[in-house]
Amino acid sequence: SQTIHQWPATLVQPVGSPLSLECTVEGTSNPNLYWYRQAAGRGLQLLFYSVGIGQISSEVPQNLSASRPQDRQFILSSKKLLLSDSGFYLCAWSGRTSGRAGSYNEQFFGPGTRLTVL
Amino acid sequence: SQQGEEDPQALSIQEGENATMNCSYKTSINNLQWYRQNSGRGLVHLILIRSNEREKHSGRLRVTLDTSKKSSSLLITASRAADTASYFCATPRSGGSYIPTFGRGTSLIVHP
Repeated sequence: SQTIHQWPATLVQPVGSPLSLECTVEGTSNPNLYWYRQAAGRGLQLLFYSVGIGQISSEVPQNLSASRPQDRQFILSSKKLLLSDSGFYLCAWSGRTSGRAGSYNEQFFGPGTRLTVL
Repeated sequence: SQQGEEDPQALSIQEGENATMNCSYKTSINNLQWYRQNSGRGLVHLILIRSNEREKHSGRLRVTLDTSKKSSSLLITASRAADTASYFCATPRSGGSYIPTFGRGTSLIVHP
């Protein structure tokens, strides 16, 4: 079965410090990968998505970046955190193709990372 | 970009009652999905309904889709305290896109 891991679970960082959040997927290959941010009581904001190794599409050209060094690894980074970067970060994957109706466009989410920038 | 919007933003009911949440969207879609998020956790996929379907059931969940009104509803019957969570609808960003966009969600509280 497929699993998705995120770490760390929580993180408190000072303004101006760097960031690295990691997401790995097991049990599947060639997944589409996504990074979302969720502010308190808000919906999900898509930050980045990737359809393959080294292929990153950015939705929010701010001080965040993403990389996909391996097929099932997705990393979210920042060189200098801002207060506004605080939030709940979620990684998700979806399958490329499927013959099963239930998996078409279905996304599987990791447990999330709670980031607080002080 | 395509985005569904849930209504109401918050819903508070007693255990055993039914809970109905609605989702409206703007452009044509080929499928719509509902997700659930427990506090502080990731989202969990509940159900997907395709544009050629009008109604779908999964346990105590019933989802309807009205493409003429560009709306969907999620009904939870005989609610339980464990149903307390936020519920999101997700629609593809554009026809056929594999990237879903999410609304702000409906926060459901079920009182025991």
